[in-house]
Amino acid sequence: DGGITQSPKYLFRKEGQNVTLSCEQNLNHDAMYWYRQDPGQGLRLIYYSQIVNDFQKGDIAEGYSVSREKKESFPLTVTSAQKNPTAFYLCASSFIAGVGDTQYFGPGTRLTVL
Amino acid sequence: ILNVEQSPQSLHVQEGDSTNFTCSFPSSNFYALHWYRWETAKSPEALFVMTLNGDEKKKGRISATLNTKEGYSYLYIKGSQPEDSATYLCAFKWSGNTGKLIFGQGTTLQVKP
Repeated sequence: DGGITQSPKYLFRKEGQNVTLSCEQNLNHDAMYWYRQDPGQGLRLIYYSQIVNDFQKGDIAEGYSVSREKKESFPLTVTSAQKNPTAFYLCASSFIAGVGDTQYFGPGTRLTVL
Repeated sequence: ILNVEQSPQSLHVQEGDSTNFTCSFPSSNFYALHWYRWETAKSPEALFVMTLNGDEKKKGRISATLNTKEGYSYLYIKGSQPEDSATYLCAFKWSGNTGKLIFGQGTTLQVKP
């Protein structure tokens, strides 16, 4: 089955710890994205990558880091510098950014900081 | 700062009612407008991608229109069914950076049987 997988579904972290969220896709998509959703707000872009070994900051990149070593994988690290990390995180992918580049989303990871 | 606004924030209708929501976006440097549906416990899925002023798209009982000159898009649902209950997101892409989408906060629709 083609799709996007995110793991884990739920994640608990103690304050001061870094944590890495996994995102893998087998759709042969070039571009991958990380979004954050908070109650009452839309999806806000954290980072995106259009090609292996390259990525760009989104609107709320502070306190996060990413890597894109393989086309299929785009892990997101939530660092201790992120002041309010408790949120729902969605990963998405698409063919190379253009007019009709529909994004396909994973099931999400809910991160809770204890 | 580019802003995408959706209204209303939430909507409760009876089964069989028709309904519509609005997405407002900057009218300058338009590139594309996406609509997504996000059902509870599922992933968001694409409904439409619209690029030309005056575009109309249809998928079953759901349709959308686009006015790029005034910066808005309408999503219509004809004869709402309980399975239409979801959050509907619009997302704007501008020509200054075609690599990313800017999402509105969504309209949550609840259809009562």
